[in-house]
Amino acid sequence: SQTIHQWPATLVQPVGSPLSLECTVEGTSNPNLYWYRQAAGRGLQLLFYSVGIGQISSEVPQNLSASRPQDRQFILSSKKLLLSDSGFYLCAWSRGLAFYNEQFFGPGTRLTVL
Amino acid sequence: DAKTTQPNSMESNEEEPVHLPCNHSTISGTDYIHWYRQLPSQGPEYVIHGLTSNVNNRMASLAIAEDRKSSTLILHRATLRDAAVYYCILRSQGGSEKLVFGKGTKLTVNP
Repeated sequence: SQTIHQWPATLVQPVGSPLSLECTVEGTSNPNLYWYRQAAGRGLQLLFYSVGIGQISSEVPQNLSASRPQDRQFILSSKKLLLSDSGFYLCAWSRGLAFYNEQFFGPGTRLTVL
Repeated sequence: DAKTTQPNSMESNEEEPVHLPCNHSTISGTDYIHWYRQLPSQGPEYVIHGLTSNVNNRMASLAIAEDRKSSTLILHRATLRDAAVYYCILRSQGGSEKLVFGKGTKLTVNP
């Protein structure tokens, strides 16, 4: 069966500090990978998605970046965090074209920027 | 992706069936109907999806109207763990990769 891991579960960072969140998927190959953010009491916002190694599509221009160094690894980074970067960060994967396939979400990382 | 309409909230008793409705009158022929739920302080969880025929899985059943303008998510025996916000969304061929949730239906399960 497939499993998606995210870490850390919670993170408190000062403004201006760097960020690195990691997501890995087990039990499948060549998944589509997604990074979402959910601000408190608000909907999901797709940040990045990837259909293969080294292929990243950005949905929202901002101070975050994503990388996919391996088939089942997806990393979200920032060089300098802003207060507005606080939120619940979710990694998800799907088998292929999203309109047909379901997306499976990881447990999330709750980020607080102070 | 086409728009859906769901009731803001519903209430059920534990061990009873729950029928969560969703209207999607502007659905097109190739749109898939997906249901997700989000428990408090957790990420969204896929529940079920279908195109035209009714679908069953270990979590729920999806009943799709013959004209596909509405659907119903059926939880056969609600448990306290089923208390969540349930989202009905349509996914269109050639549409965006992102999931866009509306306000959904907040389901309360009473013991």
